[in-house]
Amino acid sequence: AQSVAQPEDQVNVAEGNPLTVKCTYSVSGNPYLFWYVQYPNRGLQFLLKYITGDNLVKGSYGFEAEFNKSQTSFHLKKPSALVSDSALYFCAVRDMDSNYQLIWGAGTKLIIKP
Amino acid sequence: DSGVTQTPKHLITATGQRVTLRCSPRSGDLSVYWYQQSLDQGLQFLIQYYNGEERAKGNILERFSAQQFPDLHSELNLSSLELGDSALYFCASSLQAVSEAFFGQGTRLTVV
Repeated sequence: AQSVAQPEDQVNVAEGNPLTVKCTYSVSGNPYLFWYVQYPNRGLQFLLKYITGDNLVKGSYGFEAEFNKSQTSFHLKKPSALVSDSALYFCAVRDMDSNYQLIWGAGTKLIIKP
Repeated sequence: DSGVTQTPKHLITATGQRVTLRCSPRSGDLSVYWYQQSLDQGLQFLIQYYNGEERAKGNILERFSAQQFPDLHSELNLSSLELGDSALYFCASSLQAVSEAFFGQGTRLTVV
């Protein structure tokens, strides 16, 4: 079965430090991977996606993600964290065996401390 | 602004009642998805429509139903409401089956 795992419920980072939010996946075939951010009481906002091509994908708000096929990972990164990056982050993958349904991770709460 | 519109933004209703949540997808998007998010919980996929047809079904209760109309807007009907149905309900849309989905701001349903 297709699945997405976000192993950390919460990540704490000091402002100005690099941040990483982890995501691993299990799919058959080539993965279509996505990252979203959710601010309190708001809808999810699309950050970036990997379909094919360069393993380093750049997205909105200075975020990027690195696709690693051998480790089946798609970690979200940012070189220098801002307090305003504090939010809930979701990783998702398209399930090619189930009408391309989006399979979601449980979410990781990112807290950036001043 | 994602381009996905959900109404109403807030809804307070009593147990046993029935409500309808409405979603207008982004212009041109054929797929519509409905999700439920309870307090401090992840996303629970409910149902997906593509161009008027049901495409996939998730953990949707029998008391819940949805449809997508010819103009591509969608409605989620929740009936015989229980306290546990209180949650944020999100609609999302996408252009193609493999595209990213764009989310509305959600409807916060409170059942009292």
